[in-house]
Amino acid sequence: EADIYQTPRYLVIGTGKKITLECSQTMGHDKMYWYQQDPGMELHLIHYSYGVNSTEKGDLSSESTVSRIRTEHFPLTLESARPSHTSQYLCASSVSEYEQYFGPGTRLTVT
Amino acid sequence: GQSLEQPSEVTAVEGAIVQINCTYQTSGFYGLSWYQQHDGGAPTFLSYNALDGLEETGRFSSFLSRSDSYGYLLLQELQMKDSASYFCAVFYGQNFVFGPGTRLSVLP
Repeated sequence: EADIYQTPRYLVIGTGKKITLECSQTMGHDKMYWYQQDPGMELHLIHYSYGVNSTEKGDLSSESTVSRIRTEHFPLTLESARPSHTSQYLCASSVSEYEQYFGPGTRLTVT
Repeated sequence: GQSLEQPSEVTAVEGAIVQINCTYQTSGFYGLSWYQQHDGGAPTFLSYNALDGLEETGRFSSFLSRSDSYGYLLLQELQMKDSASYFCAVFYGQNFVFGPGTRLSVLP
């Protein structure tokens, strides 16, 4: 059973606020990912990390940043939230790229 | 860039067999994965094809043909709980691209 956690599960925040979405996994996986998914739509990779102190941007342009200081922790930060950031954010981790374990997601609403 | 296509919706009845197709326009990828996502839930891994051919995992099977740029997910003995969205995905380089998803509705 995969153990990957995301907090908060739901967040409503005003425009211009700084927010950090938390993601932690207890499986010791080196690879971690952040995806953005609008309702009924495909997932878009926004950031990934292949280990501590390694982060890369994915295909989807994003105004967010990530850090990977510890293997188990991969937080995503939005410096200034905008309504266009309203979406679901999914964190995942894996040993191999093709089999990823996903967290429950954070549903973000920016008003 | 990489591009994957899937039918948007598929409907079938309990006990039936359904095939969800995935065509892609990409090259140099390592393999094709399939994920299931129930409404409000997170995606869960179903299957992966690194090589051409059929991979079987219980009621689910997945197929890949690189020469035809095509793959499919086959679901047998459909159950109501199989109603969900199904995504194909390819891994290439250090990136991962998901298809648009197919919403499967299983009717009693």
